[in-house]
Amino acid sequence: QKEVEQDPGPLSVPEGAIVSLNCTYSNSAFQYFMWYRQYSRKGPELLMYTYSSGNKEDGRFTAQVDKSSKYISLFIRDSQPSDSATYLCAMRWGGSQGNLIFGKGTKLSVKP
Amino acid sequence: DGGITQSPKYLFRKEGQNVTLSCEQNLNHDAMYWYRQDPGQGLRLIYYSQIVNDFQKGDIAEGYSVSREKKESFPLTVTSAQKNPTAFYLCASSIGGGTFGNEQFFGPGTRLTVL
Repeated sequence: QKEVEQDPGPLSVPEGAIVSLNCTYSNSAFQYFMWYRQYSRKGPELLMYTYSSGNKEDGRFTAQVDKSSKYISLFIRDSQPSDSATYLCAMRWGGSQGNLIFGKGTKLSVKP
Repeated sequence: DGGITQSPKYLFRKEGQNVTLSCEQNLNHDAMYWYRQDPGQGLRLIYYSQIVNDFQKGDIAEGYSVSREKKESFPLTVTSAQKNPTAFYLCASSIGGGTFGNEQFFGPGTRLTVL
């Protein structure tokens, strides 16, 4: 079992839809959870950053962490064509050691 | 403008050649990273450096080498020992290691193709 599992998609939705992107993980020691967005042929950029369990909202984006289920989600409300990108989840355990572990990414296409 | 630059954008290499990918940052970040991205594989860590003149192997360091002689620069050499080097290479930096490494800033990438 891989440490981080992410459905690669592709996921296609109409403009204005609510999008749900998800990752599961196996290592219960993970404490930090990130979502990166990567446009085609570009480097990723940090979108959301969450510590431990709970929800975090930033505009149209909501990140959710359920540590009991080892499951994280990113919700995009009122999706726009400009949201079309690959979304990578990443996580890291607590403490000063260790590096980010990335999911494979989900490719999202928002159709106008 | 502050940021990370990578060059070249596209690189072609013949089998048996070593090539060096450039990565420069003017963000005054201590930590720098090299990742490899293959279709369907996500990002895999090659090497990272948390301070000048020090670096550590990541998950897939075989066939690669790095140096960190200056804070701003972290070049990656893909050697002839790397059996399957064709990939998209991404350089990143962060303020520091540990929890500071959760927020990484990425360069635009170099696409390497072996002919």
